[in-house]
Amino acid sequence: DTGVSQDPRHKITKRGQNVTFRCDPISEHNRLYWYRQTLGQGPEFLTYFQNEAQLEKSRLLSDRFSAERPKGSFSTLEIQRTEQGDSAMYLCASTRGAETSYTFGSGTRLTVV
Amino acid sequence: AQSVTQPDIHITVSEGASLELRCNYSYGATPYLFWYVQSPGQGLQLLLKYFSGDTLVQGIKGFEAEFKRSQSSFNLRKPSVHWSDAAEYFCAVGDYNTDKLIFGTGTRLQVFP
Repeated sequence: DTGVSQDPRHKITKRGQNVTFRCDPISEHNRLYWYRQTLGQGPEFLTYFQNEAQLEKSRLLSDRFSAERPKGSFSTLEIQRTEQGDSAMYLCASTRGAETSYTFGSGTRLTVV
Repeated sequence: AQSVTQPDIHITVSEGASLELRCNYSYGATPYLFWYVQSPGQGLQLLLKYFSGDTLVQGIKGFEAEFKRSQSSFNLRKPSVHWSDAAEYFCAVGDYNTDKLIFGTGTRLQVFP
């Protein structure tokens, strides 16, 4: 159990560019979550997967955001045409579900300039 | 709608003093409740959780929390704070079906020597 890994740790991009983040969950965890955390706020739910199925998406997830979890393993979160308002920490977490607790990754900090 | 309120944005205590961080939740049924701690630039670490049973739960690093259904509260306590406890603390309520977490806005703890 090596924990939840997120890559990259930091990303600086110019407004209008596309970015993609990766999350590798704990291998036996079938549920994977993405959260966004802006400065001074708690994390906000974006989306989650059970195995490869994306089961819920928040209204925060605009059309510019897309997430995938091919084969129910790692997940990617892509933001197209980034805006300054997308600057945040993007957190990934995984769990086995059924009253078990999350394990969070260290996050990817995105800065859009 | 589910929500979590952390009324104290910032708390300052002296090292060795006792600590209580407040958390109130709104949820339609018996909630799953969590406290997480986050150091600057890091992901979230679980301190403790309440699913059912004993309303006083013990966590890591000497923290405990008490679930009070009548007050819709889940306050975090520690009898003697250490300088290393300085961090941001988040209370969260979990959804039974999806394990999605709703976080409060956090309480920043500052510890003076």
